[in-house]
Formats: sequence, C-alpha cells, structure tokens
Amino acid sequence: GEDVEQSLFLSVREGDSSVINCTYTDSSSTYLYWYKQEPGAGLQLLTYIFSNMDMKQDQRLTVLLNKKDKHLSLRIADTQTGDSAIYFCAESTAGTYKYIFGTGTRLKVLA
Amino acid sequence: EAQVTQNPRYLITVTGKKLTVTCSQNMNHEYMSWYRQDPGLGLRQIYYSMNVEVTDKGDVPEGYKVSRKEKRNFPLILESPSPNQTSLYFCASSLGTKNEQFFGPGTRLTVL
Repeated sequence: GEDVEQSLFLSVREGDSSVINCTYTDSSSTYLYWYKQEPGAGLQLLTYIFSNMDMKQDQRLTVLLNKKDKHLSLRIADTQTGDSAIYFCAESTAGTYKYIFGTGTRLKVLA
Repeated sequence: EAQVTQNPRYLITVTGKKLTVTCSQNMNHEYMSWYRQDPGLGLRQIYYSMNVEVTDKGDVPEGYKVSRKEKRNFPLILESPSPNQTSLYFCASSLGTKNEQFFGPGTRLTVL
C-alpha cells in the first residue's frame, strides 16, 4: 500500500536553516502537505503543494517537490525555538478521501 | 470560533467496556476523519466520512465503528476496547480532501 516516510529526529541551532525530508510511494498523489504538531496539541497545516508544482515559498517556509524521486522537503529559514515541534508530511489523491501521513519528524531547536 | 471539539480529552477504561469518543465541528465541513497517533507510526487513518450517512474505512478500521447522522458530528465507537487500542486519537474536518484539515485537540485513551 501507499507509504510516507520521514526521519524521526532533527536538531538544529537557532538561526540556522532546517530541512525536513519526506519520501512517498504513491505516484498518483495529487496534494502534499506539511503539518506541525506542538506539544499537547492537534496538528495545524503549515503549507501544501500540488503535484504539478516544483516549489512553493511562504515567508520562512520553502517546499520542494521532486516528483520523479517522490521526494518532498520543507526548509525553514532562520529557525527559532518556537519552531520546535513534530512535523508531518502527508499526501492525498484527487478523487479519493484517504490521507496518508508520515511518521513525523521531531525538530529540536537549540538556543 | 471555528473549531473541532473532542470529548473526553482523557479516558482510562478496561478491556471490553464499550466507549464512545465524540467529535463535533462548527464549520459546516463535509469531510470528517478519525486518526490514531502512535510513537514511531505517525498518524494512521481509522475511518472517514465524505458526508452525512457516507463513511468508509481508512487504514486501521479494525475494532472501531463510526456514524455520521448529522453533518457536524462524527463519533468514534469502540464496542469492545482492547489494550492495543491505547493511543492518542484525533478527529479532523475539512471542506474536501484538497482543503486544509482542521484537527481537534486529541483524546488520550488508555485501555487496561
């Protein structure tokens, strides 16, 4: 079945850039998302990208999509301590109602 | 305020005792979904609903039931809970699958 994989942990220093990676297996994925989960809370959508796009930038966030390699990345510029959280990659396909989430990457920002 | 609410937030129960976790949204969303979150496994979809009286299985539906009698409510029912259903459960809603999902605050369930 479809699968979405992420590395479990990432640690960066405050002010550096963070890059969180995700790979997926479903070549028919239409929408790819990044969600953020802060401690004790639900998930919040950070950004999303359509599969016909290569890149999307939104303030400090840059999403890159390599559809050939089925690889998605989220770059956070000037990472702050408030960015410490779990980041989930997710995908869905037009015409279906199923979402597949990755395992989540725990980002720790060191002051 | 637009939100998804879940009740209860925390629940400790025993094996076999039927329970219901409620989920309600006030955004008139057609799509609702239940997930469970387990360490190292991320979020896995249990059931989803495309509209009133329309539901379908996600990736891990065994041991769960749902119903969608009204647009705003989507309860999750565990008829006979078992310890392997100990988890953190999230309800979510959206206008459709290409739209942002809004998540509830989560329900932490422990089955002894």
